[in-house]
Amino acid sequence: NAGVTQTPKFQVLKTGQSMTLQCAQDMNHEYMSWYRQDPGMGLRLIHYSVGAGITDQGEVPNGYNVSRSTTEDFPLRLLSAAPSQTSVYFCASSHRTGKSNEQYFGPGTRLTVT
Amino acid sequence: AQSVAQPEDQVNVAEGNPLTVKCTYSVSGNPYLFWYVQYPNRGLQFLLKYITGDNLVKGSYGFEAEFNKSQTSFHLKKPSALVSDSALYFCAVRDIGSGTYKYIFGTGTRLKVLA
Repeated sequence: NAGVTQTPKFQVLKTGQSMTLQCAQDMNHEYMSWYRQDPGMGLRLIHYSVGAGITDQGEVPNGYNVSRSTTEDFPLRLLSAAPSQTSVYFCASSHRTGKSNEQYFGPGTRLTVT
Repeated sequence: AQSVAQPEDQVNVAEGNPLTVKCTYSVSGNPYLFWYVQYPNRGLQFLLKYITGDNLVKGSYGFEAEFNKSQTSFHLKKPSALVSDSALYFCAVRDIGSGTYKYIFGTGTRLKVLA
């Protein structure tokens, strides 16, 4: 099992550019989510999905889009990058229900917007 | 609304001493509680969880946590700290009751174990 994979690991964007952060998991997890981590702010939920074709907003969704066309993939799209989106982004997945509830995290993408 | 509080930004402890990292939660219904650890420039790693059953939960690397329903707490503990335990620790609660299945994280506590 590769677990949760994220690409790229690092990215520098100019203000106004768009890009897609990729996330994939091979554990057949129904639930997937995107977080951003900023110093002193902990992890903030951007978007999440409880299954293919179903997505919903977290606490900081503005400026980001997601889609979930397959169980395995959950890409995060930045529509028009802003310096405030400079952050470390983590993708995570878990089973939706059952005893094995813990989330598995990817290694993160460090994004800088200039 | 569901929430998690980690009241300490940083905890310092001497190597070999017991450590406690505090977490309190607010949730409707039965809580699903988790602890994660993050080492520098890495993703979060799962340490342990409480779903049901014994209030004392044992996890990876010798860590344990005590679920206290009356105090709505889920403190992380270890009997004897190691320098290698120095990291950022996150408490989380899963929102099962609302049907969203979201995880809500605390702001994290940085643990420093001093040699």
